[in-house]
Amino acid sequence: QVQLVESGGGLVKPGGSLRLSCAASGFTLSDYYMSWIRQAPGKGLEWVSSISSSGTYTHYAETVRGRFSISRDNAKTSLYLQMNSLRDEDTAVYYCAIASGTSYEGGGWFDPWGQGTLVTVSS
Amino acid sequence: SYELTQPPSMSVSPGQTASITCSGDKLGDNYACWYQQKPGQSPVLVIYQNDKRPSGIPERFSGSYSGNTATLTISGTQAMDEAEYYCQAWDSSTALFGGGTKLTVL
Repeated sequence: QVQLVESGGGLVKPGGSLRLSCAASGFTLSDYYMSWIRQAPGKGLEWVSSISSSGTYTHYAETVRGRFSISRDNAKTSLYLQMNSLRDEDTAVYYCAIASGTSYEGGGWFDPWGQGTLVTVSS
Repeated sequence: SYELTQPPSMSVSPGQTASITCSGDKLGDNYACWYQQKPGQSPVLVIYQNDKRPSGIPERFSGSYSGNTATLTISGTQAMDEAEYYCQAWDSSTALFGGGTKLTVL
């Protein structure tokens, strides 16, 4: 069955960097847009970034643009999120998800989601 | 900036119908989706493209749309439906989520 497993979270100081990974299995990764979505402790969901099936198109939320970079390696069936210049407000559980029905113009829905990995930014 | 507005909370008695609304000026241009999230769990898609139900989602979950408001309806609500519900839509190439509605079944 479809499985998404995030890893790479942890404690990092403000201004630091972290790289998240999402291992995909049970489906052909290269057929789908993929996304990262985060949830701060006790808060709602916030979309972070999306990437097209081949990696040609990427989109970012205004809050992370210029600091975060999404990428993928379809051969390794993995999705990545490089996070630089981290801030306290980036503290959250980060989920990866398949973005079905999505094009370079956006649209679509997120299904399924991984179990998430916690990123804590604190001095 | 564009926002999706949901009521923060609502309650429903078991067996009754719960209707959760999501309003946004640009909903008329885009489909709405709905996610259910139970404590300590990842979100689960329950409705996509306004009114389509993914396989495995019970028939008591339905979606509708009118004007600038999308509605998630849970008919015959069960105790297991107690959860946070989020609507989601797109503004150009940016995905937006509503603030979430905590549904209590009591």
